[in-house]
Amino acid sequence: QKEVEQNSGPLSVPEGAIASLNCTYSDRGSQSFFWYRQYSGKSPELIMFIYSNGDKEDGRFTAQLNKASQYVSLLIRDSQPSDSATYLCALRTGLNAGGTSYGKLTFGQGTILTVHP
Amino acid sequence: DAGVTQSPTHLIKTRGQHVTLRCSPISGHKSVSWYQQVLGQGPQFIFQYYEKEERGRGNFPDRFSARQFPNYSSELNVNALLLGDSALYLCASSRRQGAIRNTIYFGEGSWLTVV
Repeated sequence: QKEVEQNSGPLSVPEGAIASLNCTYSDRGSQSFFWYRQYSGKSPELIMFIYSNGDKEDGRFTAQLNKASQYVSLLIRDSQPSDSATYLCALRTGLNAGGTSYGKLTFGQGTILTVHP
Repeated sequence: DAGVTQSPTHLIKTRGQHVTLRCSPISGHKSVSWYQQVLGQGPQFIFQYYEKEERGRGNFPDRFSARQFPNYSSELNVNALLLGDSALYLCASSRRQGAIRNTIYFGEGSWLTVV
């Protein structure tokens, strides 16, 4: 089982719809979770991060975390063509020899989202 | 404030050569990490440095090395380049090492092509 798995894409939604991106993970010790957006040829851009169970909203974006079920999701409301990109889920893992976290991010393979007019 | 800055943005090297990539973190950030992203995949962790010490290392060969300077900038060095080292190399900056609320920001990356 991969450490981080994202729903296979590509995902295509019409403009104005809700896009739902999902991510499951295997490491129960993961402490915080990140969603990045990456346009073609560009570097990842942080959208949101979440570390507590439940929902976190920021504008049109809502991140949902369920540690018991080991999944994290990202909802994009009122999707726009400019939202078309690859969405990367990442979790902060990694413990050094002393048992403290050193902040390594483990990424999923990404989900390509296309929002069509 | 400036974001994470990386240089060079693009470079082409031949097999067997050496490359040095540079990164300046966001002002006030003391942690720098390096990632490699090959086409179609998510970034893979290479190193993390905090307060000038290596704090984490990913599954990369010894040809990869890095260091962090007193001003918290960092260099990634890759020796004996292989074709498979062609990738986008990303530098990530964060304020602290592993705090749960620590946000992590990426630079624009350095595109390395090995021919």
